[in-house]
Amino acid sequence: KQEVTQIPAALSVPEGENLVLNCSFTDSAIYNLQWFRQDPGKGLTSLLLIQSSQREQTSGRLNASLDKSSGRSTLYIAASQPGDSATYLCAVRGASGGSYIPTFGRGTSLIVHP
Amino acid sequence: ETGVTQSPTHLIKTRGQQVTLRCSSQSGHNTVSWYQQALGQGPQFIFQYYREEENGRGNFPPRFSGLQFPNYSSELNVNALELDDSALYLCASSVLPYEQYFGPGTRLTVT
Repeated sequence: KQEVTQIPAALSVPEGENLVLNCSFTDSAIYNLQWFRQDPGKGLTSLLLIQSSQREQTSGRLNASLDKSSGRSTLYIAASQPGDSATYLCAVRGASGGSYIPTFGRGTSLIVHP
Repeated sequence: ETGVTQSPTHLIKTRGQQVTLRCSSQSGHNTVSWYQQALGQGPQFIFQYYREEENGRGNFPPRFSGLQFPNYSSELNVNALELDDSALYLCASSVLPYEQYFGPGTRLTVT
């Protein structure tokens, strides 16, 4: 059974810092990994999708990397802003069985203070 | 291109009642997935429908059931509601197995 762990569970930083959020998974047989942002009580907003054959993806100040063999992904946020405050979730899609079932971590709650 | 929509936004039900939640998928998507998210937790996978057939299910009892319609909209039905069913229910649509797009969620409170 796939298990996804996100570290740290919570993070509070001053504006302008560069951040690294971590996501680890136990079964390396994944199809892809997706990072999301969730504001309190809201749905999830997709940030980046990395296919299992890729090493990284970039969008603006965000960069996500994937090391499938070690079961790890990192989300790098450059020059953090108060508007980045949210919970960040990663989800992996399993590659076995053809159903591509997604498994989520519990998220990292980020606060960026001015 | 319209996004994923869910209805209702909020819902209050009594223990033992039944509830139906609705999701309208993003245009062109053939897969819808439903999740339950308790406060402070990550989304828990309930089930997934691909072209109107259930093709994956998480660790949820049979009183959680669903449908996907020919236009790829979907329903989540929960029978015999329990207090622990109180949560944010999320649906996501995709072209399997690619990027998932989520709706805003339905907040269900069971009293």
